[in-house]
Amino acid sequence: SQTIHQWPATLVQPVGSPLSLECTVEGTSNPNLYWYRQAAGRGLQLLFYSVGIGQISSEVPQNLSASRPQDRQFILSSKKLLLSDSGFYLCACSFRGGRTGELFFGEGSRLTVL
Amino acid sequence: KNQVEQSPQSLIILEGKNCTLQCNYTVSPFSNLRWYKQDTGRGPVSLTIMTFSENTKSNGRYTATLDADTKQSSLHITASQLSDSASYICVVSANTGGFKTIFGAGTRLFVKA
Repeated sequence: SQTIHQWPATLVQPVGSPLSLECTVEGTSNPNLYWYRQAAGRGLQLLFYSVGIGQISSEVPQNLSASRPQDRQFILSSKKLLLSDSGFYLCACSFRGGRTGELFFGEGSRLTVL
Repeated sequence: KNQVEQSPQSLIILEGKNCTLQCNYTVSPFSNLRWYKQDTGRGPVSLTIMTFSENTKSNGRYTATLDADTKQSSLHITASQLSDSASYICVVSANTGGFKTIFGAGTRLFVKA
């Protein structure tokens, strides 16, 4: 079965500093990969998804970017963090060609921008 | 507009009691509905998944129902335990060639001793 690793688990960064959150997937090949942000009391918001190496789709305009340098690696980045970037970030994967599109989540990364 | 609405927003129950969480959706074309459990500060974990033809699915003390005609689902928790305290998220997928996934805001459940 697949396992999704995210790090760091928690991060406190000053406004204007860069960001790099990393996600790696084990136990499956060619997954679809996703970055979500979760605000308190609200549903998960899809930020980016990727269907293959170097292929990134952005759902909402924002201060963040994503990259997929390897099949099972997905990175969320920012050059200059804003206060509004604070939140709980979740990496997820789904099986390419799966019947249901079921999502499997990592443990999340809590980002606080001060 | 594709939407998933959950109720109540939060719920407090005593240990050992049963409870039912609700999910209404307007997602088309419907593919499947999933319930996830999310412990505080952790990633969501899937509890059940139901397609159009399934109207009930159980996972231990969790039982989900689906009424595709009225576009409603419920998650029933039997004999609640302290460890059931978590957020429960209803997720509906539309099959539009690929899968479009719409998340509810979740119901926050507190189980007290």
